[in-house]
Amino acid sequence: GAGVSQSPRYKVAKRGQDVALRCDPISGHVSLFWYQQALGQGPEFLTYFQNEAQLDKSGLPSDRFFAERPEGSVSTLKIQRTQQEDSAVYLCASSPRLDRSNYGYTFGSGTRLTVV
Amino acid sequence: GQNIDQPTEMTATEGAIVQINCTYQTSGFNGLFWYQQHAGEAPTFLSYNVLDGLEEKGRFSSFLSRSKGYSYLLLKELQMKDSASYLCAVSEGGGFKTIFGAGTRLFVKA
Repeated sequence: GAGVSQSPRYKVAKRGQDVALRCDPISGHVSLFWYQQALGQGPEFLTYFQNEAQLDKSGLPSDRFFAERPEGSVSTLKIQRTQQEDSAVYLCASSPRLDRSNYGYTFGSGTRLTVV
Repeated sequence: GQNIDQPTEMTATEGAIVQINCTYQTSGFNGLFWYQQHAGEAPTFLSYNVLDGLEEKGRFSSFLSRSKGYSYLLLKELQMKDSASYLCAVSEGGGFKTIFGAGTRLFVKA
């Protein structure tokens, strides 16, 4: 597609509910990143994929967070047993380069998750 | 680990010039980015510096000093639409991820 597409745009979940957030990167982009952005803060790194391989998941806050990209294109971020502190905007970004990115990422519009 | 510092808020006047500073400490360095983020929207890429010096792109310029761990974003001929958050971000040595600062909220007044 022309840009990075994320769905849903907004999600309200009851505490304890599982959620799945989808990211459709720009076609052909090798690298895919997930970030979490709290209100008034910068994006916080969660995890990184190169094609289907998850090369870095050091930013995932707990084992309730899980991400996958099984065919090297669409990615899903799953949060199990959501808690109120999970409320944030979840941003997906993609890049065509394998590693050294000498230009920026293209971000999607994000999914705003509210846990009530 | 990474530590990125930038001012929380700045205010400037339409038509003026503003400089947003960023200092960073990193265990490895593979480039510094500036992004613009309007409220409720995704960050958009503005500039990238990997070597010392000034990179100019229209009304926006970005400077880097690797020895000082310092960068700035210079915005000239400010317009009302430049009111946004400006995020300083550093790519770590392996180049696999970019770490963002908390952002500087710029308010442009008439």
